[in-house]
Amino acid sequence: LAKTTQPISMDSYEGQEVNITCSHNNIATNDYITWYQQFPSQGPRFIIQGYKTKVTNEVASLFIPADRKSSTLSLPRVSLSDTAVYYCLVGDSDYKLSFGAGTTVTVRA
Amino acid sequence: KAGVTQTPRYLIKTRGQQVTLSCSPISGHRSVSWYQQTPGQGLQFLFEYFSETQRNKGNFPGRFSGRQFSNSRSEMNVSTLELGDSALYLCASSLGWGGLAGGRSSYEQYFGPGTRLTVT
Repeated sequence: LAKTTQPISMDSYEGQEVNITCSHNNIATNDYITWYQQFPSQGPRFIIQGYKTKVTNEVASLFIPADRKSSTLSLPRVSLSDTAVYYCLVGDSDYKLSFGAGTTVTVRA
Repeated sequence: KAGVTQTPRYLIKTRGQQVTLSCSPISGHRSVSWYQQTPGQGLQFLFEYFSETQRNKGNFPGRFSGRQFSNSRSEMNVSTLELGDSALYLCASSLGWGGLAGGRSSYEQYFGPGTRLTVT
């Protein structure tokens, strides 16, 4: 079972870039890395998914080094509405998603 | 395209009762997963259904069960409710099941708003 480790919390200010690094030392060869965002009293929302190198979409970028033992979610120019919990997930050997504790990102004005 | 819908949104039950929660996936999605979220345990996987068959099951007691219908709608049932079952129950739908990919890629999952269950 691949396990992820990410910081419990991060603080930032509006307009700054936020980078959240997730460690997954036991990631398997075929595992993908997926990030979700969750606001209070709502279900998680898919942000981005990648396998290697860099993936970018309209919301975020995901950087994955060659050894794939970690990944970094980058949120450019955050706003107050980006305050949420961010989860890093890797594929489970039984194909089910395992959510860790997540990183609580607080954006201040 | 309509999102994942869950009914009811809020529910209050008494210890010992049973409850049934419903989830309608996004049109065209054939996989439905259920999760329990509590402040202490976080988001925990309950089970996943694909083509009316349970494909995966988390570490929950047999009091928790589910099923999926031919139209991909799913229900989960909790019998003999305990105080500790108070939680937000989330349903997620996806196009397919990870096992179909032949590897370990995770299909993008779309979560519903959840059902807030309170057991008194």
